[in-house]
Amino acid sequence: AQSVTQLDSQVPVFEEAPVELRCNYSSSVSVYLFWYVQYPNQGLQLLLKYLSGSTLVKGINGFEAEFNKSQTSFHLRKPSVHISDTAEYFCAVSPSGSEKLVFGKGTKLTVNP
Amino acid sequence: GAVVSQHPSWVICKSGTSVKIECRSLDFQATTMFWYRQFPKQSLMLMATSNEGSKATYEQGVEKDKFLINHASLTLSTLTVTSAHPEDSSFYICSAISGVLMNTEAFFGQGTRLTVV
Repeated sequence: AQSVTQLDSQVPVFEEAPVELRCNYSSSVSVYLFWYVQYPNQGLQLLLKYLSGSTLVKGINGFEAEFNKSQTSFHLRKPSVHISDTAEYFCAVSPSGSEKLVFGKGTKLTVNP
Repeated sequence: GAVVSQHPSWVICKSGTSVKIECRSLDFQATTMFWYRQFPKQSLMLMATSNEGSKATYEQGVEKDKFLINHASLTLSTLTVTSAHPEDSSFYICSAISGVLMNTEAFFGQGTRLTVV
């Protein structure tokens, strides 16, 4: 079985500051990794995904994430955040070849002016 | 990206009544759809997986007689919450994938907020 741990439930930052949202996973098989963003009362939007290849993955809205197999991590980063980045961010994994997603509990990012 | 539409976006119903939520893939054929439930400040919990033309597969602990799922076509899946109670109040989200075109990405609906009074 797979599990996902998002170490921070809330992350407050100031506008234009860098941010890192942490995600660790546990799995006995190879996995695909995803980051989703959820705005209030909306569904999820895919930010980026790691399937294979380069461990540094670039996504939409200036976000990127790095897959670290030895540390079983997939942390999300952005060098300079905007007010509009305020949202809930979910890390998710799925076993390679499977359709099911296992989500972490989410990290609420609040960007303050 | 592909578009998944959920309807209604919010609904209020009386305790004991049933509510149907629709999930439609607008521009692709969804071989598989997933239904999730999200409690306030919690993660998404997978309820069931539905494949077109076959019975849904429910996750452990999910009452199949209470949460009826029908995937009658490649573009529509419905979730019916039967005999709803206040504890069924939650945010329900569907997602869909196309096994032909994009089997590694799920596209999510905008969610349905159900309030049972």
